Amino acid sequence: DIQMTQSPSSLSASVGDRVTITCRASQSISTYLNWYQQKPGKAPKLLIYAASILQSGVPSGFSGRGSGTDFTLTISSLQPDDFATYYCQQSYSAPHTFGPGTKVDIK
Amino acid sequence: EVQLVESGGGLVQPGGSLRLSCAASGFSISSFWMHWVRQAPGRGLVWVSRINSDGSTTTYADSVKGRFTISRDNAQNTVYLQMNSLRVEDTAVYYCAREEHGYYSFDPWGQGTLVTVSS
Repeated sequence: DIQMTQSPSSLSASVGDRVTITCRASQSISTYLNWYQQKPGKAPKLLIYAASILQSGVPSGFSGRGSGTDFTLTISSLQPDDFATYYCQQSYSAPHTFGPGTKVDIK
Repeated sequence: EVQLVESGGGLVQPGGSLRLSCAASGFSISSFWMHWVRQAPGRGLVWVSRINSDGSTTTYADSVKGRFTISRDNAQNTVYLQMNSLRVEDTAVYYCAREEHGYYSFDPWGQGTLVTVSS
């Protein structure tokens, strides 16, 4: 199975900050990497698929990069609605493993 | 509106069974692979199972293999997860999700249904 790691596990930031979350796969997954946002008590929401393609309706302040084993999710200017937990997921092969998550909270 | 709605969760004793349902609206599931993902209280997302569009191919996480069975009724636009021999560690919110064509991302997700395994 492909293992996914994320760093940091949590971070505190202020509105307007630029935030970058890193995700690493245990083997090459090309660009079969997705990012999800989850708020407490809610279902995950797809933000980015294929490592860098913004899902329809997602604000342009979100961006993704990477291929192979190393990926990043960047929020260019943190907004109040962006405080949440972010998960990466590989869709290269089953099981479609998720990273452990990165919680972004208010400084 | 494209929507998934899970049901069937509840409290069950260890060793018991539950059947979860995931009803789709706004689209036909017959063209899509469908997945179940779970999340234990305060924990991260864990992929559980998937089924292809006609139900002929299923895959399971090792932790549920032999105990859980995924199925679908395309005429009813519904996906199921039969859970047998439940364990305390199966306690979680269970989400169903549609696999998007192409890069196999999950969208949309249902709101989730809580399964609690406890004596």
